[in-house]
Amino acid sequence: EPEVTQTPSHQVTQMGQEVILRCVPISNHLYFYWYRQILGQKVEFLVSFYNNEISEKSEIFDDQFSVERPDGSNFTLKIRSTKLEDSAMYFCASSGLVSGELFFGEGSRLTVL
Amino acid sequence: KNEVEQSPQNLTAQEGEFITINCSYSVGISALHWLQQHPGGGIVSLFMLSSGKKKHGRLIATINIQEKHSSLHITASHPRDSAVYICAVKGFQGAQKLVFGQGTRLTINP
Repeated sequence: EPEVTQTPSHQVTQMGQEVILRCVPISNHLYFYWYRQILGQKVEFLVSFYNNEISEKSEIFDDQFSVERPDGSNFTLKIRSTKLEDSAMYFCASSGLVSGELFFGEGSRLTVL
Repeated sequence: KNEVEQSPQNLTAQEGEFITINCSYSVGISALHWLQQHPGGGIVSLFMLSSGKKKHGRLIATINIQEKHSSLHITASHPRDSAVYICAVKGFQGAQKLVFGQGTRLTINP
C-alpha cells in the first residue's frame, strides 16, 4: 500500500538553528500538507501546497516557516530559526485530486533545546 | 472559525463492548474525517464522509449534517483498538485545511 514517508523521525536541535523536515508524499497525489501537534494538544494545520505554491496557511506559519517541493518527490518544511515553542510532532500528509482522503506520514518529532 | 468538540475525552471499556465516540462541530463543513492515532504518534485515516454512513470492518461512522454531529462506532471492541480517535472537519470555499478535535483516548481491556 502506498505511504507517506517522513524523515527524520526525531530531531533534536538548539534554539536558533535551522531545521528541515522532509516528506515523500504518495506519488500521484497533488495536495500536500504540514500539520503539527504540540505534546498533549490538538493537531494544528500549518500549510497546504498545491500546484507548486502555498494554497492556504495558518497564522502559525509565519516568516520563520517555509515549504518547498524541490523535485518531483520531496516536500520539505523549513524552520529558519527554531524556538523552544516549535517543539512538536510535525506531520506531513497528502491527498489526491478526486477522493480527498488524507494519508499521513508517521511524523517527525522536533525537540528544541 | 469552526470549533470541533469530541466526547468523551477518555473511554475505558472491556473487550467485546460496543463503543461510541461523538463529534460535534459549529460551522457547516464539506467533509468530516475520523482518524486514529497510535501510541507511537502516527495518524491513520479511518473514514472521510460528507453524508450518511460508512462501514469498514468493525468500524462504522455516521454523520448528521443538520445536527452538525458525527459518531464513530466500534463493534466487538478489541485491545488492539486502543488508540486516540480524532475527528477533523474541512470547511467550504476551497479551504484545504482540517480543523481537529482534541481526540478521544480509548482503552480496551482484555
